[in-house]
Amino acid sequence: GQQVMQIPQYQHVQEGEDFTTYCNSSTTLSNIQWYKQRPGGHPVFLIQLVKSGEVKKQKRLTFQFGEAKKNSSLHITATQTTDVGTYFCALRGASGTYKYIFGTGTRLKVLA
Amino acid sequence: EAGVAQSPRYKIIEKRQSVAFWCNPISGHATLYWYQQILGQGPKLLIQFQNNGVVDDSQLPKDRFSAERLKGVDSTLKIQPAKLEDSAVYLCASRNSGMETQYFGPGTRLLVL
Repeated sequence: GQQVMQIPQYQHVQEGEDFTTYCNSSTTLSNIQWYKQRPGGHPVFLIQLVKSGEVKKQKRLTFQFGEAKKNSSLHITATQTTDVGTYFCALRGASGTYKYIFGTGTRLKVLA
Repeated sequence: EAGVAQSPRYKIIEKRQSVAFWCNPISGHATLYWYQQILGQGPKLLIQFQNNGVVDDSQLPKDRFSAERLKGVDSTLKIQPAKLEDSAVYLCASRNSGMETQYFGPGTRLLVL
């Protein structure tokens, strides 16, 4: 099946450093969602982006949707140990069905 | 509001045995999803229900996997017979009509020996 690549696959940062993960699609998307999964936990919805070029912020997290609606990024400013986990993008195509394809994920480790 | 419930939380079986997982979505959520998440990978959609009808099961290995949602509320996912490569976490998620957010249950961790 279709796989959505996220880069990087892993990222280790010192607490206080910034972190960015990227999600890329070969097709134009209807929307994109971001989820966070703590170790041993289940995915938890963070945000949804719908509009071309959209930028949304949640405290230290900044989410961006590409102008062509084919890529997205999640940026965390000044990481904290509570940010540890795997961040997934989930893509919804333009088919009209509420079917989401999850990315491969970026595992973030924050060193205190 | 109660979240998505799943049981069992853990299951260990031998290959060629059968196993069933249960999911109870958030009350009122018409859409229910089953995902398979292999260690180190993202969730992979197996099947999507809208009420008691199947919307998408294109990635469900139908020779061994089956799922139902007879009354449009809770759902069961069955594997018969299980293979070693079925070892994974099986996640159930639900979504309210007209909304985009999926709410995931805690998952069932399956180990096939």
